[in-house]
Amino acid sequence: DAGITQSPRHKVTETGTPVTLRCHQTENHRYMYWYRQDPGHGLRLIHYSYGVKDTDKGEVSDGYSVSRSKTEDFLLTLESATSSQTSVYFCAISRTGGMNTEAFFGQGTRLTVV
Amino acid sequence: KNEVEQSPQNLTAQEGEFITINCSYSVGISALHWLQQHPGGGIVSLFMLSSGKKKHGRLIATINIQEKHSSLHITASHPRDSAVYICAVQRTGSYQLTFGKGTKLSVIP
Repeated sequence: DAGITQSPRHKVTETGTPVTLRCHQTENHRYMYWYRQDPGHGLRLIHYSYGVKDTDKGEVSDGYSVSRSKTEDFLLTLESATSSQTSVYFCAISRTGGMNTEAFFGQGTRLTVV
Repeated sequence: KNEVEQSPQNLTAQEGEFITINCSYSVGISALHWLQQHPGGGIVSLFMLSSGKKKHGRLIATINIQEKHSSLHITASHPRDSAVYICAVQRTGSYQLTFGKGTKLSVIP
């Protein structure tokens, strides 16, 4: 599993509440990514990080923020959850930039916004 | 039009059959990944290709850069191969991966 842990694995939350998902790695990889997976769509990049305190937006970043204060942790925050953010969220890591090495994914977090 | 197209979307096979899943892309790439996702499970990297062919057990992945096409083959398929197989490309000069929508494979005993 390449030492990636996502928490929580499942969460149900109410519309308008903030939610934080955590991705923890033990591999000391520099690059970390948050994706969402929805029926009818491929995985889509939300945000990524290329080092501590270095983050950038992906293609579906609206309504999400991230933080990386330590190499091993990458947090994804839904500032005010909406039903459209009901999804399965995956964290991924890679040793080098651009993922031109093998990509390792977490087990996913299923988030339901009611 | 999606940059990464997979076919078929769904595939049902009898145990023992030879299976091919196709991936076509429309952009310049530096690498292509094949990933596997079991129902309710995480995503596992099977292959990363930039040219030619790779083999791991009963799985074979090929890529033709000129034709912008890759195939994933499974020989002697088994019910435990039932999963969604996802193709992803890394565009040249980009950090990001672009994913296909996946091919759902069901192998029946």
